[in-house]
Amino acid sequence: QSALTQPASVSGSPGQSITISCTGTSSDVGVYNYVSWYQQHPGKAPKLMIYDVSNRPSGVSDRFSGSKSGSTASLAISGLQAEDEADYYCSSYTSSSTLVFGGGTKLTVL
Amino acid sequence: QVQLQESGPGLVKPSQTLSLTCTVSGGSISSGGYYWSWIRQHPGKGLEWIGYIYYSGTTYSNPSLKSRITMSVDTSKNQFSLKLTSVTAADTAVYYCARDRTGYSEFDYWGQGTLVTVSS
Repeated sequence: QSALTQPASVSGSPGQSITISCTGTSSDVGVYNYVSWYQQHPGKAPKLMIYDVSNRPSGVSDRFSGSKSGSTASLAISGLQAEDEADYYCSSYTSSSTLVFGGGTKLTVL
Repeated sequence: QVQLQESGPGLVKPSQTLSLTCTVSGGSISSGGYYWSWIRQHPGKGLEWIGYIYYSGTTYSNPSLKSRITMSVDTSKNQFSLKLTSVTAADTAVYYCARDRTGYSEFDYWGQGTLVTVSS
């Protein structure tokens, strides 16, 4: 199975909004609403930010939102804060009953 | 509060078997409904799903690793384990254990991760 495709990096200034894309295929993102997003700070374990395309776990800021169109899912972060600087990974369930991650996107807050 | 902790050798020789155990506290593996998972991250790289095991023993794994992987669960010790055979330098990574609450990539609890280096 191939990794989902994410941009290597995105950046934005404090207060701005950014979007990270995650492109899959008709065997994963395109067919299931089981797309999740994880935030990972250096040296730390990932943290679940979004599940089932657009749902936020309890305790996650509403500045984070998710959506999907076709085989591309997106994570949007509004009102960027310095603490949002991290790596972000998407993940999807697949038609082979497996899971696949994206290659990761490094978010820089300028 | 559920906590997961990986344990195992930090150094494994090429061609040998990597063995890791994840001890779960604050919740019972046998309570059902969760998929106990292994994920790895090569140095400076992205996340790679290795596989997961249900408390009943049913397993699902990454096709690229399936032939080398064995996962097991010990409900009496509240632990689950990973064995990866015939390791090479390409298996050097931080290995995380995590709980997937649905099996659809909802990893809500993670271990801190353990670095395993494959080297002679």
